[in-house]
Amino acid sequence: AQTVTQSQPEMSVQEAETVTLSCTYDTSENNYYLFWYKQPPSRQMILVIRQEAYKQQNATENRFSVNFQKAAKSFSLKISDSQLGDTAMYFCAFSPFLNAGGTSYGKLTFGQGTILTVHP
Amino acid sequence: EAQVTQNPRYLITVTGKKLTVTCSQNMNHEYMSWYRQDPGLGLRQIYYSMNVEVTDKGDVPEGYKVSRKEKRNFPLILESPSPNQTSLYFCASSSILAGGAYNEQFFGPGTRLTVL
Repeated sequence: AQTVTQSQPEMSVQEAETVTLSCTYDTSENNYYLFWYKQPPSRQMILVIRQEAYKQQNATENRFSVNFQKAAKSFSLKISDSQLGDTAMYFCAFSPFLNAGGTSYGKLTFGQGTILTVHP
Repeated sequence: EAQVTQNPRYLITVTGKKLTVTCSQNMNHEYMSWYRQDPGLGLRQIYYSMNVEVTDKGDVPEGYKVSRKEKRNFPLILESPSPNQTSLYFCASSSILAGGAYNEQFFGPGTRLTVL
């Protein structure tokens, strides 16, 4: 079974600065996906960024980038030029590839979440 | 507009009174799933479905039932709700790609359930 751990229950940052959210995971799988989801006060789950484990290059989406360390099973999210609209709960999540029996397809295993507050 | 809808968005009920939370998607997705979100625990999968009439348990299925009679709908049924089922519930859907490739899961807006 996979586990995902976010050790920072809360983080804060000043507007325009950079913040990094931490995530570690445990799995015996070799091929999998990792995600960061954002949940603003509206509660909507919004996909921020995705990383395929077989890709060595770190994923980037505008101000959001990841530091993926496969051997260390670490997957941190860096938010550059933080904006007030970035204030939200952030979840790290893991999903395996479709296995032979198909029983794990699509299952997302989430971390506990990190509440990020961006201050003006 | 492509979306996943859930109803109701808020529900307060009493212990033992059967309830159903509906989930519907208009994207012709094969895969659908239910999660519950609790403080300090993140989201945990309750049940999932790979296609019509194909459902299976997730990590926390006790006390819940699901059905998948139509591709677009995946209702969550609580036959005898208890206070420990007070939670925020999310439905999600995605298409299934060949070869194990991942396709983004789209989440519904959530249903806040309180069981007294």
